[in-house]
Amino acid sequence: EADIYQTPRYLVIGTGKKITLECSQTMGHDKMYWYQQDPGMELHLIHYSYGVNSTEKGDLSSESTVSRIRTEHFPLTLESARPSHTSQYLCASSASSYEQYFGPGTRLTVT
Amino acid sequence: KNQVEQSPQSLIILEGKNCTLQCNYTVSPFSNLRWYKQDTGRGPVSLTIMTFSENTKSNGRYTATLDADTKQSSLHITASQLSDSASYICVVSDRGSTLGRLYFGRGTQLTVWP
Repeated sequence: EADIYQTPRYLVIGTGKKITLECSQTMGHDKMYWYQQDPGMELHLIHYSYGVNSTEKGDLSSESTVSRIRTEHFPLTLESARPSHTSQYLCASSASSYEQYFGPGTRLTVT
Repeated sequence: KNQVEQSPQSLIILEGKNCTLQCNYTVSPFSNLRWYKQDTGRGPVSLTIMTFSENTKSNGRYTATLDADTKQSSLHITASQLSDSASYICVVSDRGSTLGRLYFGRGTQLTVWP
C-alpha cells in the first residue's frame, strides 16, 4: 500500500466557503496529481506538478488552485465553493511515468 | 482522439465464479496499460501494468492480457470472492509526453454475490 494521505476524507460545506483539500506523500515522489471523479465516470486530471514550485493545469478546467511548496505536500484550494464542485477528489503521486499511487480520496459535497 | 472503452459497464456474478472484463483503447503512441481496482469511496489500487511487449501478466487470481495489435486488453478474475466487488478501471498511458499522460476508462462495476 502506498504512503499517500488525503484529508479530510469527507467534507460537507456551504456555498461560498473557502476550502483546502490536503494531500501528502512520504515516498519522496517528484510528480503529484489531482483528479476529479464523479460517480460512474472516469477520472479527470485537473492539476499536476513536476516538483517544488511547479504546477500545471490538467485536461479538465477547474476553478481550484494548487501549490507545491514542499515535495511531500500538494494542497488543492477552492476560494468559493459551489454545488457544481461536488465530487470526489483524488490525489496521486509518482516517481516516473510508469506508476501512479493514489490516495483514498476526499468526497466533497457543497450545499 | 485518445479513448479507453470498457465493457460491460456492470456485472453481477456469484461467489466462486470466474469473469472477464474487456478494455479497448485508441491511445497512440502506446506506452503501457494498467488495470486498477477501486473500492467504493477509495482511491484506485494498481493490479497489473503491461508494456507493449507483454501479452499476459498475473497477480494472484487476476490475469490481464494485452493484444497491442488490436488494442484490446482483458482482465480475468478467477474464483471470485466477495471482496472482489469493486470498480475495475483500465488506464492507458501514451509515450507522447514526459508526464506519461493517463487515459482512464469509466470502469466496470463488479458485484459478487454470495
